[in-house]
Amino acid sequence: AQSVTQLGSHVSVSEGALVLLRCNYSSSVPPYLFWYVQYPNQGLQLLLKYTSAATLVKGINDFEAEFKKSETSFHLTKPSAHMSDAAEYFCAVSDANQGGKLIFGQGTELSVKP
Amino acid sequence: GEEVAQTPKHLVRGEGQKAKLYCAPIKGHSYVFWYQQVLKNEFKFLISFQNENVFDETGMPKERFSAKCLPNSPCSLEIQATKLEDSAVYFCASSLIDSQGTEAFFGQGTRLTVV
Repeated sequence: AQSVTQLGSHVSVSEGALVLLRCNYSSSVPPYLFWYVQYPNQGLQLLLKYTSAATLVKGINDFEAEFKKSETSFHLTKPSAHMSDAAEYFCAVSDANQGGKLIFGQGTELSVKP
Repeated sequence: GEEVAQTPKHLVRGEGQKAKLYCAPIKGHSYVFWYQQVLKNEFKFLISFQNENVFDETGMPKERFSAKCLPNSPCSLEIQATKLEDSAVYFCASSLIDSQGTEAFFGQGTRLTVV
């Protein structure tokens, strides 16, 4: 069975600082991995996805994530945080054999201090 | 359409009443998913459809929850005899599975409050 663990339910950074949100996955098949962002009272917006092409994936708003098979990790980073990045971030894994069902992590709330 | 449309945005039901939620997936997407989000965290998978056929219903509380995706109609999720614990935001998503993966596009959600 697939699973996702996000380390840290809440991360706080200063504006301009590096953002690092951690995600580890478990999957018996090559996974598809995703990072989604959820702003208050909104749905989920896709930041980036890994689909077995390049291991370093670039997404929207200068976010990127690196797939590390040996560490079963897919951590999300951004070089310089903006106030507008404050939101809830979800890592998810899916298996195309299951019709694309997403298994989500518990979410990490990112706060950005001025 | 170019986005997943969910209606209504908010729904308030008394305990024991029925609730029905609707979802219009993106045109051309063959998969539809329903997720339940309680307390801003943890998305719980409920059910998925491949076109009008149930693909995976392993997350559905079958006693009171049912769902359909009929041709030429919005998909629906129905909860009979709602309970307080059903209060949550219900998200619908649709996707087009291809060699690039299974990117799912989410609607804005329906917030169900059971009082």
